[in-house]
Amino acid sequence: AQKITQTQPGMFVQEKEAVTLDCTYDTSDPSYGLFWYKQPSSGEMIFLIYQGSYDQQNATEGRYSLNFQKARKSANLVISASQLGDSAMYFCAMRELTGNQFYFGTGTSLTVIP
Amino acid sequence: DGGITQSPKYLFRKEGQNVTLSCEQNLNHDAMYWYRQDPGQGLRLIYYSQIVNDFQKGDIAEGYSVSREKKESFPLTVTSAQKNPTAFYLCASSIFPGETQYFGPGTRLLVL
Repeated sequence: AQKITQTQPGMFVQEKEAVTLDCTYDTSDPSYGLFWYKQPSSGEMIFLIYQGSYDQQNATEGRYSLNFQKARKSANLVISASQLGDSAMYFCAMRELTGNQFYFGTGTSLTVIP
Repeated sequence: DGGITQSPKYLFRKEGQNVTLSCEQNLNHDAMYWYRQDPGQGLRLIYYSQIVNDFQKGDIAEGYSVSREKKESFPLTVTSAQKNPTAFYLCASSIFPGETQYFGPGTRLLVL
């Protein structure tokens, strides 16, 4: 089974609007970490935000927030006030307690429209 | 400035040739990783190293080799046994194994 599933291959959002990128995960470990990365056309992966499985509150970093719903095993990324520079691929990743390997989803391509 | 550097940016390999991709970090991170990314795909782990002189195979290690003789360096060799090496290769590091990974700019490998 896929550890990380991103079902939206492509998304469009109007500039200054908010957008939600979906991510669901599969693990039986009680402790795990969830990460979001941005990959612009240059190729470098840029770390955006982290959520630990025991964190009581949803993580926020500037315009990025993580909508963590543990029972549904979802960790959606919310980008508020979209900017043209947000156009990129976005990857969700998970690290389980057992082992240090990261599992990445297939990514979502976000296009911000002026 | 602290960071991760990868070189070269583009690399061309001839049939039957071994090539080595460089990855250097000055973040004093213990753990380093190599990933392969194919078009439209996520990242797949090739090798990782938690400490100097130690490394472990990832999901797709066949046809690749690594070394970790220094904390700051983790070169990846794509051997002639790797039959489909054309891909984008990303190196990453984390302060400790399992912590947030930070990535270099990547190397694009093409086969002539």
